[in-house]
Amino acid sequence: DSGVTQTPKHLITATGQRVTLRCSPRSGDLSVYWYQQSLDQGLQFLIQYYNGEERAKGNILERFSAQQFPDLHSELNLSSLELGDSALYFCASSLHFTGGARTDTQYFGPGTRLTVL
Amino acid sequence: SQKIEQNSEALNIQEGKTATLTCNYTNYSPAYLQWYRQDPGRGPVFLLLIRENEKEKRKERLKVTFDTTLKQSLFHITASQPADSATYLCALDRTAADGLTFGKGTHLIIQP
Repeated sequence: DSGVTQTPKHLITATGQRVTLRCSPRSGDLSVYWYQQSLDQGLQFLIQYYNGEERAKGNILERFSAQQFPDLHSELNLSSLELGDSALYFCASSLHFTGGARTDTQYFGPGTRLTVL
Repeated sequence: SQKIEQNSEALNIQEGKTATLTCNYTNYSPAYLQWYRQDPGRGPVFLLLIRENEKEKRKERLKVTFDTTLKQSLFHITASQPADSATYLCALDRTAADGLTFGKGTHLIIQP
């Protein structure tokens, strides 16, 4: 158990809908990362928040948004869903951040499996 | 952008032998490289990190090498066991940003 929790575990919805995925980082971790994993694309970095502020953006679509709240939990909002958005969505957390000279280990949650019908 | 290549085909190894997985990258040299293990339907689990100025890193039965000239990392599992069967992902730090760039992973199968 990594200490990172994600809800819900599974989500089935229809095209055009909007969903919210929730992540609670490990106790004490300030950074939260969101990743999308599909069979053809592998694990893709979407966005990172550090202590409530957006720190880095990856391959995140404009239909997707995220935020990190004062208690450090994070939510990923996916709107106008398309069939191609079906994937596993992982949240990871680290004490501070990775990149440059820092190499804080990222701890991944169990993921949310999103199915868009 | 950074491109990472890992063997897309499954790697079958006899129990007790050494499994060697390859990670090749292009476009720039990362400050460090990480290896993760992922079991079906679960999140990746961090295994080892090696920095650009390190040639080799070991942890129990695991060994990672990093050749910045070849732009390649090798991940070895010695005395492999069926419980080592999983997908192994290599990840690099992203250019001027946080978050990691992952390879698609190699599925390792240890045959008893």
